Amino acid sequence: EVQLVESGGGLVQPGGSLRLSCAVSGFNVEMYVMHWVRQAPGKGLESISGIRGDDKFYTESVKGRFTISRDNSKNTLYLQMGSLRVDDMAVYYCAREDQLGSADYWGQGTLVTVSS
Amino acid sequence: DVVMTQSPLSLPVTLGQPASISCRSSQSLVKSDGITYLNWFHQRPGQSPRRLIYKVSNRDSGVPDRFSGSGSGTDFTLRISRVEAEDVGVYYCMQGTYWPWTFGQGTKVEIK
Repeated sequence: EVQLVESGGGLVQPGGSLRLSCAVSGFNVEMYVMHWVRQAPGKGLESISGIRGDDKFYTESVKGRFTISRDNSKNTLYLQMGSLRVDDMAVYYCAREDQLGSADYWGQGTLVTVSS
Repeated sequence: DVVMTQSPLSLPVTLGQPASISCRSSQSLVKSDGITYLNWFHQRPGQSPRRLIYKVSNRDSGVPDRFSGSGSGTDFTLRISRVEAEDVGVYYCMQGTYWPWTFGQGTKVEIK
C-alpha cells in the first residue's frame, strides 16, 4: 500500500527554520518525481518545489530559502525551510507524480505556523 | 508560470441536478508528446486533495461515472451529471504539462 506521511510542522518565529519530512512506503522515493504543495489557511493549492532525478525546481517565492532533497536509504523526502515569513504559513503536502503527469498520492499534510 | 482560471468560484447546486465547472489556461496545455496534462481534483474540508480526472477526460479508479471531463488546448470543463451530497467540497483544475504544476483558484460546490 502506498503511503506518504509528513512530519516536522509546527510553530516557528518569522526568520526561523524548519525541516519537513515525508516518509513514504509502498514505493521507492528515488524512482518517482516528488513534489511539495502548500495550502495557506482558507486558500488554494500552490506547488512550491519538486525533484526529478538531480533536477530541482522552486517557485519564485521560496527560491533561495527552501531546499528539497531526499534520502533514498530512508525512503524519505525533505523540505528544508529557512527565513520563514508569515506568508509561508500553510499546510504542506508531499505528493507523488505518476506517469500521468500529476499527483496520484498525497500525504495528509503538516501545518506550519509562522508567528511571533 | 501557467495561470489556471476557474469559474465559477462558488457553485450552489440542487441534489440530483447537473453541475459544470470551467477551467482556462494561459497557454496551451498540449505537451511535446501530444498529450494534454489537465487534471481535476476534489478536496473535502480537512482532507488532502483527491484526483478525479487525468489527461482531460480519464476518470481515476473508483471515481463515479457521474463525473466527466472534456476540453482541449486551453479550455476545459468538469461536469457532474447528478450532484450527490458527497460531492460537496472544493474542485481544482491542475496542469501538469509544465513545471511548476499550477492550480486553479478552486470552485466551492455546496448544496442549496
